[in-house]
Amino acid sequence: QSALTQPASVSGSPGQSITISCTGTSSDVGGYNYVSWYQQHPGKAPKLMIYDVSKRPSGVSNRFSGSKSGNTASLTISGLQAEDEADYYCCSYAGSSTYVFGTGTKVTVL
Amino acid sequence: QLQLQESGPGLVKPSETLSLTCTVSGGSISSSSYYWGWIRQPPGKGLEWIGSIYYSGSTYYNPSLKSRVTISVDTSKNQFSLKLSSVTAADTAVYYCARDLRGFWSGLNYYYYYYMDVWGKGTTVTVSS
Repeated sequence: QSALTQPASVSGSPGQSITISCTGTSSDVGGYNYVSWYQQHPGKAPKLMIYDVSKRPSGVSNRFSGSKSGNTASLTISGLQAEDEADYYCCSYAGSSTYVFGTGTKVTVL
Repeated sequence: QLQLQESGPGLVKPSETLSLTCTVSGGSISSSSYYWGWIRQPPGKGLEWIGSIYYSGSTYYNPSLKSRVTISVDTSKNQFSLKLSSVTAADTAVYYCARDLRGFWSGLNYYYYYYMDVWGKGTTVTVSS
């Protein structure tokens, strides 16, 4: 069970859109529609942003959207804002009632 | 409003057992839809799922940690606990507890979900002599 692969960093200017990829295998991302995304500000606990690949919990801005193609899931942040600067982690169900997290991506708002 | 709070020693000696407790408030740990999980984050590194438990005591563990991990639940105290044995410096991390939604019944249909929607603030555990 290896960590899912994410780019170490992604940056964008305010108002732009950015996309973070999360690549796994057919045993996790590709095998199930149970990918979730978490936002983590420095020194804070992770916050659920997306579940079931593309669903947003109540209270999460519609600027955040998720998708999946094959073994790669993606998180898109549109209309980038300063408050979106944080670390983002994907997480996938990996079978046998286990989870695997991604390596994490630092988002910088230029 | 559901809240989770981790507690336990902040310093553990190498080769000893790390023990943490998560207290759930604002809701019942015996809810049929939820498991309760532990996740950790070493300094400057990513998140790692450790394992999850149902109120009945059913557990699932990360295969890479399974030989050293025990998660238990105390429904009378609305708490669940983590024990990690034979710790080394590599176990130094912030440890989080979280509510882990696995699915629920709606009528005759069971809907599966897999995500962690409510997290504690985390507690730092350092392994050092």
